Amino acid sequence: GEDVEQSLFLSVREGDSSVINCTYTDSSSTYLYWYKQEPGAGLQLLTYIFSNMDMKQDQRLTVLLNKKDKHLSLRIADTQTGDSAIYFCAESLTGGGADGLTFGKGTHLIIQP
Amino acid sequence: DAMVIQNPRYQVTQFGKPVTLSCSQTLNHNVMYWYQQKSSQAPKLLFHYYDKDFNNEADTPDNFQSRRPNTSFCFLDIRSPGLGDAAMYLCATSRSGGGTGELFFGEGSRLTVL
Repeated sequence: GEDVEQSLFLSVREGDSSVINCTYTDSSSTYLYWYKQEPGAGLQLLTYIFSNMDMKQDQRLTVLLNKKDKHLSLRIADTQTGDSAIYFCAESLTGGGADGLTFGKGTHLIIQP
Repeated sequence: DAMVIQNPRYQVTQFGKPVTLSCSQTLNHNVMYWYQQKSSQAPKLLFHYYDKDFNNEADTPDNFQSRRPNTSFCFLDIRSPGLGDAAMYLCATSRSGGGTGELFFGEGSRLTVL
């Protein structure tokens, strides 16, 4: 079955790096995603990684995928107050998006001044 | 230039009083989804339309129905809302047939049941 696990909270100091971790159970996952949700808003795609990749970097964001351990992480460099949000890990089995995504419960990123 | 628009953003209803939430999209995506999101929980897929084909998740209560009159619009009907149906309802779209499978979300409709 599909299951995506994340820790619920992460607190970091402004300017430090944030690392949000996720584990998933289905080795058939073709794409893995990180979505961001700000208070009262919908989910916004931050980045994604294809299952045959180990790493993807996009400006301040670095995604690492360990397919053997079914572990995905999102690193945010130089964390700013605007990064305060809930971050959801998600997986897709079909890759074409037709069956939707399975989400984790989300990690609340709290920024300390 | 919002691409997935949900209305209303906030809906208050009474216990048992039917409610309809709407979603429209300008992306011309063939797949549309409804997710239910409760506080500190993962968004839960209720159902989706693949073109005109309706796909219900096995554990979605019968109280929840959906309509998709055309490519651009999709509705979520809650026939007799209970207190446990209070949640954020998220509409999303995607294009099938390859690509990254990314879902595009609306801002959500927050339902309160009194």
